[in-house]
Amino acid sequence: AQRVTQPEKLLSVFKGAPVELKCNYSYSGSPELFWYVQYSRQRLQLLLRHISRESIKGFTADLNKGETSFHLKKPFAQEEDSAMYYCALSPPYSSASKIIFGSGTRLSIRP
Amino acid sequence: EPEVTQTPSHQVTQMGQEVILRCVPISNHLYFYWYRQILGQKVEFLVSFYNNEISEKSEIFDDQFSVERPDGSNFTLKIRSTKLEDSAMYFCASSYQAGGYNEQFFGPGTRLTVL
Repeated sequence: AQRVTQPEKLLSVFKGAPVELKCNYSYSGSPELFWYVQYSRQRLQLLLRHISRESIKGFTADLNKGETSFHLKKPFAQEEDSAMYYCALSPPYSSASKIIFGSGTRLSIRP
Repeated sequence: EPEVTQTPSHQVTQMGQEVILRCVPISNHLYFYWYRQILGQKVEFLVSFYNNEISEKSEIFDDQFSVERPDGSNFTLKIRSTKLEDSAMYFCASSYQAGGYNEQFFGPGTRLTVL
């Protein structure tokens, strides 16, 4: 079964504290993995993807194939990081691939 | 920067009525998608579309749903006879290439309310 699990509906941390948003996936093969973000009153947008090995807005995500996890991390949270975060996967090679989303974690940064 | 646009932003309809949700994908994109999000639930894939035909559809996308690219710019989702459970946020997305490595760009969504 293809599934993405985000165990936390809400995560609240103080500004300057480290952040870790958990994500586990179930997929037979090697999917492409993403984190999407939705800021208040804005559209869903790609934050980062595993294949790019990038750090965006200070966020990184490490793929652990053994644990089938793709947790999102940031060492020092900022107030503007408050948003809804969705972990997602997609089959790597496919015609017009669908994205399978997790249920999302709302990150709230307290001043 | 080009964006996916969707109209209307909010649609209210009576159960059993037909609705058409409209999307204008990014102009040079070739692959088009519809997703929906029922309030409090996850974003779910409905259908993907390429070269004027459906590439893949989910179990949700039954005979009540159809998609069309009636001209060179619009991409529509039609629900023939709406049910209460069709109430959701519907997102259109587009991408330039296929495959999971390629970013899908999302529209702002249409909130459909079925009464």
